[in-house]
Amino acid sequence: DAGVTQSPTHLIKTRGQQVTLRCSPKSGHDTVSWYQQALGQGPQFIFQYYEEEERQRGNFPDRFSGHQFPNYSSELNVNALLLGDSALYLCASSLSASDARYYNEQFFGPGTRLTVL
Amino acid sequence: KNEVEQSPQNLTAQEGEFITINCSYSVGISALHWLQQHPGGGIVSLFMLSSGKKKHGRLIATINIQEKHGSLHITASHPRDSAVYICAVFLYLAGGTSYGKLTFGQGTILTVHP
Repeated sequence: DAGVTQSPTHLIKTRGQQVTLRCSPKSGHDTVSWYQQALGQGPQFIFQYYEEEERQRGNFPDRFSGHQFPNYSSELNVNALLLGDSALYLCASSLSASDARYYNEQFFGPGTRLTVL
Repeated sequence: KNEVEQSPQNLTAQEGEFITINCSYSVGISALHWLQQHPGGGIVSLFMLSSGKKKHGRLIATINIQEKHGSLHITASHPRDSAVYICAVFLYLAGGTSYGKLTFGQGTILTVHP
């Protein structure tokens, strides 16, 4: 059983460009969360997708958007790239909890390292 | 002030030493998750707990809900334990309509020398 996979592993872009990152969740998982991790920092929550909709969002601008497909895989899109968008982008999958109060363990992918020049 | 504070930020130990990493949070949580991150970025889940204590091999995780504090202990540390250890808490606001989310500490860089 493959765990969470992400592609590509590394990416170099220039300011102003657009990028799409991809994530395939662990088998059986229906929820995908995206995080941004700047160098030397802990991950920051970008947004979470469930049933092909954005269920909640962190404090990120609208340049960050996403999508979830019927097979639960997900994409993260970033438009008008800034130097500050350089980071490790992590995807995590989980099984949706039956109650919003409860936490089902998230499993993390290896990340995509984005460098913006 | 960060919602999740880890200490220390950097920790250097000699092989065999007992290590403790602390995690404090400022609001009520449903669960605390300890993660390990190696150079290159991959994150591995170590423990998830909402109360008490869990043990796996040389690793022990504890949580004190009343004191809003958790700890990760490594007994008989080994150079292969060298990594970044991250504490993440699942915050849920009672009465809210949004789902809870993970909030991460900044990580503790552990280096174990032979």
